Amino acid sequence: DQQVKQNSPSLSVQEGRISILNCDYTNSMFDYFLWYKKYPAEGPTFLISISSIKDKNEDGRFTVFLNKSAKHLSLHIVPSQPGDSAVYFCAASGGTSYGKLTFGQGTILTVHP
Amino acid sequence: ETGVTQSPTHLIKTRGQQVTLRCSSQSGHNTVSWYQQALGQGPQFIFQYYREEENGRGNFPPRFSGLQFPNYSSELNVNALELDDSALYLCASSFSGFSYNEQFFGPGTRLTVL
Repeated sequence: DQQVKQNSPSLSVQEGRISILNCDYTNSMFDYFLWYKKYPAEGPTFLISISSIKDKNEDGRFTVFLNKSAKHLSLHIVPSQPGDSAVYFCAASGGTSYGKLTFGQGTILTVHP
Repeated sequence: ETGVTQSPTHLIKTRGQQVTLRCSSQSGHNTVSWYQQALGQGPQFIFQYYREEENGRGNFPPRFSGLQFPNYSSELNVNALELDDSALYLCASSFSGFSYNEQFFGPGTRLTVL
């Protein structure tokens, strides 16, 4: 039972353009969402989060959008840089298990110079 | 500020053996969570420890057990290793197990079971 899904295994973008990574969830108890970035041989690095009381959160080049009715969130990276090339995971938490993160399968982002 | 550290980096064991993985949490953090990441998948929650007590567990059998020490470091023990236990094991620390806080991950331990 995959409660958090990232349906695009990979995404390729030109440097300077926008990268949009998508994530869907099925558990309506989730009310806190996070994005992590992972380079090879490193642990996931926290990028940005959003609570369900908001529909948008910005931090520099990174913006996360949350559509609760569609159970969908997206991460926008503008402008994309070659150093952004990594695996991106969305994660969700909530209900009685707010300490537990449920992750999607990840999307490999490649930003070409 | 010291980040999350894990040891060892890599480990090779044979089926049926037992293994202990270690994690030191980030300074100021009192909660440690363990995750298993199989190849091509996202991390899966194993369990969490808050102030030396288990504070939630995922769908893992009892042969996966853990400990948290007074200094908030932690161990993950796996008994009777199976081939499917081969994975990257990630430890994450956070400030509190009872609120929404970002979890900060260590680099992981790569376990191979032959």
